[in-house]
Amino acid sequence: ILNVEQSPQSLHVQEGDSTNFTCSFPSSNFYALHWYRWETAKSPEALFVMTLNGDEKKKGRISATLNTKEGYSYLYIKGSQPEDSATYLCAPPPSYNTDKLIFGTGTRLQVFP
Amino acid sequence: GAVVSQHPSRVICKSGTSVKIECRSLDFQATTMFWYRQFPKQSLMLMATSNEGSKATYEQGVEKDKFLINHASLTLSTLTVTSAHPEDSSFYICSARDRRGANTGELFFGEGSRLTVL
Repeated sequence: ILNVEQSPQSLHVQEGDSTNFTCSFPSSNFYALHWYRWETAKSPEALFVMTLNGDEKKKGRISATLNTKEGYSYLYIKGSQPEDSATYLCAPPPSYNTDKLIFGTGTRLQVFP
Repeated sequence: GAVVSQHPSRVICKSGTSVKIECRSLDFQATTMFWYRQFPKQSLMLMATSNEGSKATYEQGVEKDKFLINHASLTLSTLTVTSAHPEDSSFYICSARDRRGANTGELFFGEGSRLTVL
């Protein structure tokens, strides 16, 4: 069973603040890491797929880094806005030859105006 | 982007009845779909992998006779909760991967179905 942990569980920030949270996963047999964003009453949507150690990806004000050797990924949001409020999930596939993803517990972000 | 439609979004049923949830990929074909369940305040738990034209692959601890999965076409997978009981009340959500090229590996999710068993 793949152990994927995310911290913190929840986060409340003020509009304009920058924030970051962590996804920890087993570093052995690493294949890829997915980040998803899940807004209330909507479908989860993919943010990033990261595969290489040292990868850094960016989408607007959101960026993510990956450290496969130590088994963690950070997601950063610069200048948080209320529309960033969502649950952010990370998910590595448990092995190379599978399509399935095992999701972490998620970080629930709430941005107050 | 790719769209996955899940229906119904909410269903309330009596204990002992069976409930079917549909998951459709609207603008792409999916040889593989995934069914997840979310318990309150917990993450998405993978229940099974639905394979077009063959049997579903269930995760450890998931009863295949309880949660029947059928993937009869490249755009439709169904999850049937048989003889539902209150402990089956949960949020069920499906996802699919576009089988075409440029595979980023990302999943496209349905909107989820909230099942309440009385």
